[in-house]
Parts: sequence; structure tokens; C-alpha cells
Amino acid sequence: GAVVSQHPSRVICKSGTSVKIECRSLDFQATTMFWYRQFPKKSLMLMATSNEGSKATYEQGVEKDKFLINHASLTLSTLTVTSAHPEDSSFYICSARKPGGSVETQYFGPGTRLLVL
Amino acid sequence: GNSVTQMEGPVTLSEEAFLTINCTYTATGYPSLFWYVQYPGEGLQLLLKATKADDKGSNKGFEATYRKETTSFHLEKGSVQVSDSAVYFCALPLDSGAGSYQLTFGKGTKLSVIP
Repeated sequence: GAVVSQHPSRVICKSGTSVKIECRSLDFQATTMFWYRQFPKKSLMLMATSNEGSKATYEQGVEKDKFLINHASLTLSTLTVTSAHPEDSSFYICSARKPGGSVETQYFGPGTRLLVL
Repeated sequence: GNSVTQMEGPVTLSEEAFLTINCTYTATGYPSLFWYVQYPGEGLQLLLKATKADDKGSNKGFEATYRKETTSFHLEKGSVQVSDSAVYFCALPLDSGAGSYQLTFGKGTKLSVIP
């Protein structure tokens, strides 16, 4: 199956700093990537849809200036949490969609655990 | 948009026990339905899917039937193994329209199988 990686897998940062999370599709080109946030005992919440070469589309309630998404190439999307605060601590998951496939042909990264102190 | 309600866990079973994880959905039309599995330290993987009413999706001994009368898609396995320990997510498209590639997920059910 297709492989999607995320880096780092775990990060701890101080309040007020910015953190960048990378999502890479290792063996296919992904025109669309999705960023999710997972809260404890809650479902994955879609944050934004990232399309290569264009601006990301954010879901309602997600601050685009706080969660900066860049999809600079067909194999890489980045999520930058700017001026992080403890309430941003969460598990962030990306998925990458294979072009031409149906809704389920998206492949998930293993997630990044962010802890803001 | 569409939504899904999933049985909350955690669920702990002995090896060879029968598993049921309940999932009900609210949707416009009849979108495809999915179960995803997340093994420890790994990303979500598609476990099975059903694309229309009365379809049964199956994989690795797991089954789920698309029931439009009860708007349900319960996951079952007749005899679980330790290797089935994981978190299971029920999911469907956020929007039933054509070309919709966004998914909405249930809260996830953590399954632990003990020898």
C-alpha cells in the first residue's frame, strides 16, 4: 500500500513558539492532502484540505493564521502551528490522496503528538 | 454534512471472543461507508468498505453490512486475535455529493485482546 510519513512523530515546545509538522507521500504524488486533529476520546476533526500549488481550504472554526498550511510540492505538505499555546496540544494526523481515486483512496500518516508547555 | 456515531470503548476481549462495534450514521443519500483501523504507532488504514445498501464489506475476518433501514454499519468479527488490538474508526464522506473527498470519523473504539 501507499506510504505517508510524518515528521516529527512527537514534539514538545514552549508556549509562544512555532512548530512545523511535515507530511510526505513517499511513493506517490498527492495533489490533495488533509490535516486532522485528534482530541483524546474524540473523533478526528478535519482541519483543512491542502491542494498543491494553491491555498488551503480551512474548516469552519479553524484559524488559518494560526495553523499555516503549505503544499509546496506533490509529495510534501507542512502544517505550522504558530505561537503555540497549551490548548494546541493534540495529535495531528495528515492524509494524502491519490489522484483519480475515490474518497477512501487516501493514506494516513502515523500522526504527530504535540505538547505545548 | 454527514455524521457518524460510534460505540465508545475501550473494549477488552479474550482471544477467540466475538466482537461487535456499533456504528450508526446520518447522511443525505447513500454514501459509501468505511471502517478504518489504527494499529499502535501506525497511521489509519482502510479495513473494509461498503458502497451501497445491503452490501457487506469484509477483510481479515471482519465484516460490516450497510443497513439503510437502521442507518447502521456495525463491525463484527467472530473470533478476535491478539493482533487485532487496535483502534477502530467508522467513517463516511463528509458530503454525499460527487467529488467529495473529505471524510468524517467516529470517535474511535480501542480494542484490546488478551491471550
